[in-house]
Amino acid sequence: TQLLEQSPQFLSIQEGENLTVYCNSSSVFSSLQWYRQEPGEGPVLLVTVVTGGEVKKLKRLTFQFGDARKDSSLHITAAQPGDTGLYLCAGVYTGGFKTIFGAGTRLFVKA
Amino acid sequence: NAGVTQTPKFRVLKTGQSMTLLCAQDMNHEYMYWYRQDPGMGLRLIHYSVGEGTTAKGEVPDGYNVSRLKKQNFLLGLESAAPSQTSVYFCASSYVLFEKLFFGSGTQLSVL
Repeated sequence: TQLLEQSPQFLSIQEGENLTVYCNSSSVFSSLQWYRQEPGEGPVLLVTVVTGGEVKKLKRLTFQFGDARKDSSLHITAAQPGDTGLYLCAGVYTGGFKTIFGAGTRLFVKA
Repeated sequence: NAGVTQTPKFRVLKTGQSMTLLCAQDMNHEYMYWYRQDPGMGLRLIHYSVGEGTTAKGEVPDGYNVSRLKKQNFLLGLESAAPSQTSVYFCASSYVLFEKLFFGSGTQLSVL
């Protein structure tokens, strides 16, 4: 069974704190995507990482793809209430014929 | 700038009833998808389409049918609804197969 595990499942922090969420698999991916989903809405793509070891920054969000392309992390610096949401990772298999989604990390940032 | 539009937003069915969910995209995307989202299980692919007139099965296709008669539309049908099909359904589209998906806002379906 191909799995993409995300941790933690739930995270509640104060505004201004830093946090890291993880996405892990035993499978190798050609690319990995991060989405954010707000209540009552569909997921919205944040970033795609393609190269092993790649680091991408999106304002206060830093995404890293593992060297072996099996895992990824998302680090948020100085979290704000607007960062609240469900963060999903999605791994694309080599050849692009399949993508699997993790169950997500639900983040709540308190003002 | 509509993107991906799904209708309806909410629906309640009785076991055995049938229904069709509508999805429309205005981005001229070749690829379209139907996913279901259940608590703790992530998004699971039901069916997808690589172009007008084509459809293919995803991870969880049983009990669902789809049609893509026009490039911009992708319909999801339930022939005989079951309580196990209670879920949130998302339509998505993309330029590249399985990458950089644009999602609709979802349909909450309850089957009693």
